[in-house]
Amino acid sequence: AQRVTQPEKLLSVFKGAPVELKCNYSYSGSPELFWYVQYSRQRLQLLLRHISRESIKGFTADLNKGETSFHLKKPFAQEEDSAMYYCALQSGGSYIPTFGRGTSLIVHP
Amino acid sequence: KAGVTQTPRYLIKTRGQQVTLSCSPISGHRSVSWYQQTPGQGLQFLFEYFSETQRNKGNFPGRFSGRQFSNSRSEMNVSTLELGDSALYLCASRPPDHNSPLHFGNGTRLTVT
Repeated sequence: AQRVTQPEKLLSVFKGAPVELKCNYSYSGSPELFWYVQYSRQRLQLLLRHISRESIKGFTADLNKGETSFHLKKPFAQEEDSAMYYCALQSGGSYIPTFGRGTSLIVHP
Repeated sequence: KAGVTQTPRYLIKTRGQQVTLSCSPISGHRSVSWYQQTPGQGLQFLFEYFSETQRNKGNFPGRFSGRQFSNSRSEMNVSTLELGDSALYLCASRPPDHNSPLHFGNGTRLTVT
């Protein structure tokens, strides 16, 4: 069975500090991994996916198959990054993504 | 393109009642999934419909059911409501490419008293 673990329910940092939101997964095959973000009063939306290998709003995420991790990083956090972040794993077969429980990021001024 | 639309935005029901939630996917998207979002459990998958057929189902009791119409619009029904059913119910649609990400609606906030 596939599983996604986000160990931190809450992450609190100051503006300008580096941010790393952790995501670990368990899956025996080749996963498709995503980060979704939900800003206050907005819908849940895709932030980035590992196959795109792109930086969105300054965030990057690298898939580490050895450590089965897909941590989300940003070198300098901004107040507008405050949101709920969900890591999701999608695999062949059902293509139904499994979500982690989410990490609430708060960036203080 | 219009996004995923969910109605109503808010619902207040009492225990024992039933409720129907509606979701209109993005035009061209035939897959519609439903999720329950709560602070403690995060996002939990309810079921997925594709071409009017339930293709996948999560681990929810039979009180939770759904259907999809020929225009891809979907409804979710919860019968015999319990206090623990209070949550934000999210609908998501996806384009034909299975590897595409989900597009979510704003959700329906259900409160059971």
